[in-house]
Amino acid sequence: QVTLKESGPGMLQPSKTLSLTCSFSGFSLSTSGMVVSWIRQPSGKSLEWLAAIDWDGDKYYNPSLKSRLTVSKDTSNTQVFLKITSVDTADTATYYCARHNYGWYFDFWGPGTMVTVSS
Amino acid sequence: EIVLTQSPTTMAASPGEKVTLTCRASSSVSYMHWYQQRSGASPKLWIYETSKLASGVPNRFSGSGSGTSYSLTINSMETEDAATYYCQQGSSYPTFGAGTKLELK
Repeated sequence: QVTLKESGPGMLQPSKTLSLTCSFSGFSLSTSGMVVSWIRQPSGKSLEWLAAIDWDGDKYYNPSLKSRLTVSKDTSNTQVFLKITSVDTADTATYYCARHNYGWYFDFWGPGTMVTVSS
Repeated sequence: EIVLTQSPTTMAASPGEKVTLTCRASSSVSYMHWYQQRSGASPKLWIYETSKLASGVPNRFSGSGSGTSYSLTINSMETEDAATYYCQQGSSYPTFGAGTKLELK
């Protein structure tokens, strides 16, 4: 059974760095072709893909946000991390992690973690 | 960036009615994928690679299209189909459409 779960700070102040964790089970990120992405959704709005890391450690970023994003994974291949620097109110959203392959469609999603950026 | 334009933005359909949602891409893409999202829940993969139904999706749903024009069709609207549907392409870095909110009339 594939499950993913996101965790984050809930709330943080503008200009800080947002750190998110995606913990998953039911698959291994060491399996060839496996990828985990981060996607966010502001309340009432659409979805925005942020970043991905694959089984081989290759990283992919949304060009419009690339300078602020860092995606990584742990050595046991059961967690993926995302850091977003210099957050502002526009980064307030629900953040999801999702599993996929190189077909780049997201077949399993976590429940999401809500992040509010506010002073 | 490949921009996806979904239409209509919102619509209401009666039970038994045929429904078609469209998604147009700003550049040609190889496939289109669709997600269903209910209020307060994560998106669910609904249709992948243009026309393949994800696991558990009723066969009253279908997908079609090519190039820059794609559609999702519900053959006969049911109550449980009321949700927001997003299209997504993965030919370039992934982008999503703005969504179509489908309501029950």
